[in-house]
Amino acid sequence: AQTVTQSQPEMSVQEAETVTLSCTYDTSESNYYLFWYKQPPSRQMILVIRQEAYKQQNATENRFSVNFQKAAKSFSLKISDSQLGDTAMYFCAFMNSFSIYNQGGKLIFGQGTELSVKP
Amino acid sequence: DTAVSQTPKYLVTQMGNDKSIKCEQNLGHDTMYWYKQDSKKFLKIMFSYNNKELIINETVPNRFSPKSPDKAHLNLHINSLELGDSAVYFCASSQRIVVAGDTDTQYFGPGTRLTVL
Repeated sequence: AQTVTQSQPEMSVQEAETVTLSCTYDTSESNYYLFWYKQPPSRQMILVIRQEAYKQQNATENRFSVNFQKAAKSFSLKISDSQLGDTAMYFCAFMNSFSIYNQGGKLIFGQGTELSVKP
Repeated sequence: DTAVSQTPKYLVTQMGNDKSIKCEQNLGHDTMYWYKQDSKKFLKIMFSYNNKELIINETVPNRFSPKSPDKAHLNLHINSLELGDSAVYFCASSQRIVVAGDTDTQYFGPGTRLTVL
């Protein structure tokens, strides 16, 4: 069974600085997808970034980028120029690619990292 | 023009009651999901429907019954509510790409906070 581990329950960063959130996962599959979701106090789950396992290039979305290390099964999120609005719970999630042999489409979440951006 | 909507946003009820949570998506997606977020904020999938057909059913008590009248709606009915059912329930949707090796991003609704007293 796949598992996702976020080893940092809480982190804080000063506004405008850079912070990296860690995520590791365990799977025997070779084709899968990884996601970072953000959950601010409003409770809404918002997609931050996604990475396809077959792509070697790390995904980037504006101030958000990932460091995807497939062999190490590591998927960290880097937030540059942190803003107060980045304060939220961040979830790393894994999804198998769809096939008739597995329950593709099922997101498996880590425990979350509570990030506080301080002024 | 909310993409994935849920009603109600808050639900407070007594133990033993039956309640429903409704979900609708206007993204044209063909796959919908229910997730449960517990008091420690851990998220876990409960069900998934693709074109009104149940495709994922995690180990969820029989008291929980999803119903999908059409591919834009996925409702969750809960019988005989228990204290442990208190949680935030999220609906999500995606466009299932029926080609082995591909998938698509899930978009979440705002969540329904269920409190069982």
